[in-house]
Amino acid sequence: AQSVTQLDSHVSVSEGTPVLLRCNYSSSYSPSLFWYVQHPNKGLQLLLKYTSAATLVKGINGFEAEFKKSETSFHLTKPSAHMSDAAEYFCVVSEAFRDTGRRALTFGSGTRLQVQP
Amino acid sequence: ETGVTQTPRHLVMGMTNKKSLKCEQHLGHNAMYWYKQSAKKPLELMFVYSLEERVENNSVPSRFSPECPNSSHLFLHLHTLQPEDSALYLCASSPSFPGRVADFGPGTRLTVL
Repeated sequence: AQSVTQLDSHVSVSEGTPVLLRCNYSSSYSPSLFWYVQHPNKGLQLLLKYTSAATLVKGINGFEAEFKKSETSFHLTKPSAHMSDAAEYFCVVSEAFRDTGRRALTFGSGTRLQVQP
Repeated sequence: ETGVTQTPRHLVMGMTNKKSLKCEQHLGHNAMYWYKQSAKKPLELMFVYSLEERVENNSVPSRFSPECPNSSHLFLHLHTLQPEDSALYLCASSPSFPGRVADFGPGTRLTVL
């Protein structure tokens, strides 16, 4: 079974300082991992995805994440926060089950990022 | 086993057809969702039902009509679709709304000819 744990439900940073949103996962097979962002009253937007290629993945808006298999982590980072980054961020694992080929998506519980001026 | 099942897994239909997608969750959740995932686009939330009442409709065309007869079942009725509606349609459920989206179904791959 797969699961995703976002270690912080809320993160608050000052504008211009680095952002770190933590995500740990468990998966029986080789997973695909995603980060989505959801701004208030908007749908989910894909930030970046890892699908067994380079372990350091660059996404939109200056975000990046590093897949660390030994630590089962996929933390999201950004060198310098902007006010427009304030939103909720979801870490997602997608796993294809070998026996059935069925794909399942599991979302983390989300981390709300606040950016202070 | 995700606890959320969707049928059919694949569907091919013409633009004049009427079909329905079915979703069922066995988790005792009170909220259910329809998402659309198109190629090269992010996941788009279409509809949200909480306790069998529609609480969100994200400007979805009327050719998509949701139905939630009870908290365990969710349907998406399709009629006079367009080729650009071809996508993966994902159902999800969560214990409550608003709340985290906890479990997704495997999706229905829809192709509109």
